[in-house]
Amino acid sequence: DTGVSQNPRHKITKRGQNVTFRCDPISEHNRLYWYRQTLGQGPEFLTYFQNEAQLEKSRLLSDRFSAERPKGSFSTLEIQRTEQGDSAMYLCASIEIRGGFGANVLTFGAGSRLTVL
Amino acid sequence: GDSVTQMEGPVTLSEEAFLTINCTYTATGYPSLFWYVQYPGEGLQLLLKATKADDKGSNKGFEATYRKETTSFHLEKGSVQVSDSAVYFCALSDYKLSFGAGTTVTVRA
Repeated sequence: DTGVSQNPRHKITKRGQNVTFRCDPISEHNRLYWYRQTLGQGPEFLTYFQNEAQLEKSRLLSDRFSAERPKGSFSTLEIQRTEQGDSAMYLCASIEIRGGFGANVLTFGAGSRLTVL
Repeated sequence: GDSVTQMEGPVTLSEEAFLTINCTYTATGYPSLFWYVQYPGEGLQLLLKATKADDKGSNKGFEATYRKETTSFHLEKGSVQVSDSAVYFCALSDYKLSFGAGTTVTVRA
């Protein structure tokens, strides 16, 4: 078990460019979450997948954001036409849902930090 | 919707001091409650959890009790160390985690 892996760890881009982040969850985990964390704030929910199905998207996820989890394994989060307000840490987390959410541990990756110039 | 409110920081303490971070929640159901910790340069880690009223979560000398009557889940540690310097987040869940804003704790030697 290598934990939740996120790549790249840091991304600096110019406003208007597209960026994509990848998350590799713990292999047996069937649920995957994306969060966004800005400086001095707690993580904010963006979206989550149960296997390959995207079950909920936050209002924070504008139409410039898209997330996928093909085959229910790794997930990607793409931001199109980046804006300076997109600068944040993007966190991925995974969990095996068995016996209810509280019965298991949501494991976070180290995050992908985005800086939009 | 469900939410948590936690004590604002930053908090600065001397080593061996007593630490309390207040957390209250609003929820329509009976969520599980969590404390996560983020050490400098590291990712979020689960510190402790409680899944039902009156449960006490504990880990690394930290404790928190799920109080339904006061809708609280305050974090306590009797004697902090420099290595406890971190950001602490209270969170609740039904099917997803909702976090508080975090409390930065600095422990001086």
